[in-house]
Amino acid sequence: GENVEQHPSTLSVQEGDSAVIKCTYSDSASNYFPWYKQELGKGPQLIIDIRSNVGEKKDQRIAVTLNKTAKHFSLHITETQPEDSAVYFCAARSGSARQLTFGSGTQLTVLP
Amino acid sequence: GAGVSQSPSNKVTEKGKDVELRCDPISGHTALYWYRQRLGQGLEFLIYFQGNSAPDKSGLPSDRFSAERTGESVSTLTIQRTQQEDSAVYLCASSLTTEAFFGQGTRLTVV
Repeated sequence: GENVEQHPSTLSVQEGDSAVIKCTYSDSASNYFPWYKQELGKGPQLIIDIRSNVGEKKDQRIAVTLNKTAKHFSLHITETQPEDSAVYFCAARSGSARQLTFGSGTQLTVLP
Repeated sequence: GAGVSQSPSNKVTEKGKDVELRCDPISGHTALYWYRQRLGQGLEFLIYFQGNSAPDKSGLPSDRFSAERTGESVSTLTIQRTQQEDSAVYLCASSLTTEAFFGQGTRLTVV
């Protein structure tokens, strides 16, 4: 089955700096890669996703890049703000399965 | 409803008791998922329902865990003879096409 590795497990940045979180996946048939933000005591919220036919997608301060050859994808947050502080999860879904396989999460702390 | 709703939000139970967790998916969503999230860890897939197809139970950790869903509506996750290692947040998600939307979860504590 699919295996998703996520790094780093914790990340602290100064407000206004950029943050990058990286994930690798094992199943070359995976074709959908969402990113979720989870605030304390809440369920994960989808913030951006990318499909395998696209190399990059951007939504305001958030961007995701996908390298299918290397089987890795990354989340980029620019001009970070304290409200960006949360746990971020990457995930992947193989074309043969419907469930998402999640990474272990990154605790992002934006220092004011 | 506006989003995925789970109940109860918190549940404390004694070891050995059975518990039932409920998930109300977004109206019209044909797919429903259950995940388990242990403290400080990622999401662990448990079970997946799609319409009237047979559910994918490949993630259920033991035969103490079971889930049901009637049509495209409410789902219940049942844990029998709870153990302390069952303590976790149980998350439900639903989807219509690709994007999966999560509820706020049920925090289960087995004492």
